[in-house]
Amino acid sequence: SFELTQPPSVSVSPGQTASIICSGDNLGDKSASWYQQKPGQSPVLVIYQDTKRPSGIPERFSGSNSGNTATLTISGTQAVDEADYYCQAWDSNNYVFGTGTKVTVL
Amino acid sequence: QVQLVESGGGLVKPGGSLRLSCEASGFILSDYYMSWIRQAPGKGLEWVSYISTSGSPIYYADSVKGRFTISRDNAKNSLYLQMNSLRAEDTAVYYCARDLGSGYYSIWGQGTLVTVSS
Repeated sequence: SFELTQPPSVSVSPGQTASIICSGDNLGDKSASWYQQKPGQSPVLVIYQDTKRPSGIPERFSGSNSGNTATLTISGTQAVDEADYYCQAWDSNNYVFGTGTKVTVL
Repeated sequence: QVQLVESGGGLVKPGGSLRLSCEASGFILSDYYMSWIRQAPGKGLEWVSYISTSGSPIYYADSVKGRFTISRDNAKNSLYLQMNSLRAEDTAVYYCARDLGSGYYSIWGQGTLVTVSS
């Protein structure tokens, strides 16, 4: 079955760039999305269709997808960006979520 | 205001049943594919089930197939999840979420907690 793998954690200093990798077989042939989840809250869509940002999501969030890897990049990371991030793709009648990455802003 | 509100969670014994509801407001539910997604305590997101705009097709994760049933009532702007033969490993916060058909979830509910324990 199709699986998406993410690093468990990423640490970043305020103002720096955080990159979160999502790996899956031929993921670049599918459409990747990313969700942000803060403690005790529901997930929020931050990137869809590989590179698009929903209304209200800051420009510092960007995405890419090629080959076996999708990447979420947070430029100029702020303390409010500290959260869990999940990638997601649709494959064979299943919505598949990544394992999740905890982003810590030190 | 566009929102989804889940209800029906609670404490149930192993082998028991529970029915979750998800009421949509601020948009027309029939325009959207709908899903249930769950998150066990301290764990990641797990997709549970999907139902298309008209009610067919329907898909389930292998972990719930044969035990859970998803349904919708577009006239009531509501989505449901009937959960039977519940197990301890079904303990989780259950979210409903909408998809316009592009394979991603634009809106999530606040979630309802299901605890399966004796």
